[in-house]
Amino acid sequence: GESVGLHLPTLSVQEGDNSIINCAYSNSASDYFIWYKQESGKGPQFIIDIRSNMDKRQGQRVTVLLNKTVKHLSLQIAATQPGDSAVYFCAENNGNYGQNFVFGPGTRLSVLP
Amino acid sequence: DTAVSQTPKYLVTQMGNDKSIKCEQNLGHDTMYWYKQDSKKFLKIMFSYNNKELIINETVPNRFSPKSPDKAHLNLHINSLELGDSAVYFCASSQAGGLRGYTFGSGTRLTVV
Repeated sequence: GESVGLHLPTLSVQEGDNSIINCAYSNSASDYFIWYKQESGKGPQFIIDIRSNMDKRQGQRVTVLLNKTVKHLSLQIAATQPGDSAVYFCAENNGNYGQNFVFGPGTRLSVLP
Repeated sequence: DTAVSQTPKYLVTQMGNDKSIKCEQNLGHDTMYWYKQDSKKFLKIMFSYNNKELIINETVPNRFSPKSPDKAHLNLHINSLELGDSAVYFCASSQAGGLRGYTFGSGTRLTVV
C-alpha cells in the first residue's frame, strides 16, 4: 500500500550553490551506509558509501558525513548542477539481514537556474 | 550491456488480471530483490533471494509470488491485480556483503485500472 503519512521532502537550491541532504537512520547497530540518486524514470544509483568506523568520506563533488551519536547522515553536494536534480535516498545496513538495506524516505533535490 | 534488466518497462492492466514482471542480472551477483516504490517515492522491500532461495518475504499479499529459476533471474508474478498494486516495481541485485550496495533495474511502472 501507500506510505500513508509520509511525504517526500524537497530541497530547492540555486545552481552553483552547495546542497546538504539529511537523513536520520533508525538502527544504532547499522554499520554501513549508502547514498543513492534516483533520476526521473530510472532506478536508484549508488553515489557514495561510508562505514561506521568513519565519520567523513569524500568523492567527486560529494561528501558524506556520519554522526553515530545522533544517528544522522548527510550528503553534501558542492557546486550543485542541473544534473543533480533527483531524489536522494540514504540506506542503512542494519545487520539483521546481512546485505539487505533499509531505505530512508528520500529527498527531492531541485536545482534552480 | 544492461547490468540489471527488467521487462516490461510499462504495464497497464485491468483489475483481476494476472501479470508477470521479469528480471535478469548479468553481474554474477548472488542475491536479488524486488522493491515496490509508491507515488511518494518510498522504497519498500518485498522479497530477497540468495542463490535461488527465498531469504526475505516481507508482509506482502500472497497474490505476489516470486520465482527464481537460477541465480541470475528473479521474476515476480502477481495474481488478481488490485488498484492498490499500482506502483513502480524495482528489481535489484547485490553480491555477498553488499559492498557498494545494490544495482537496480530501471523499474516497471504497473498501472491497474
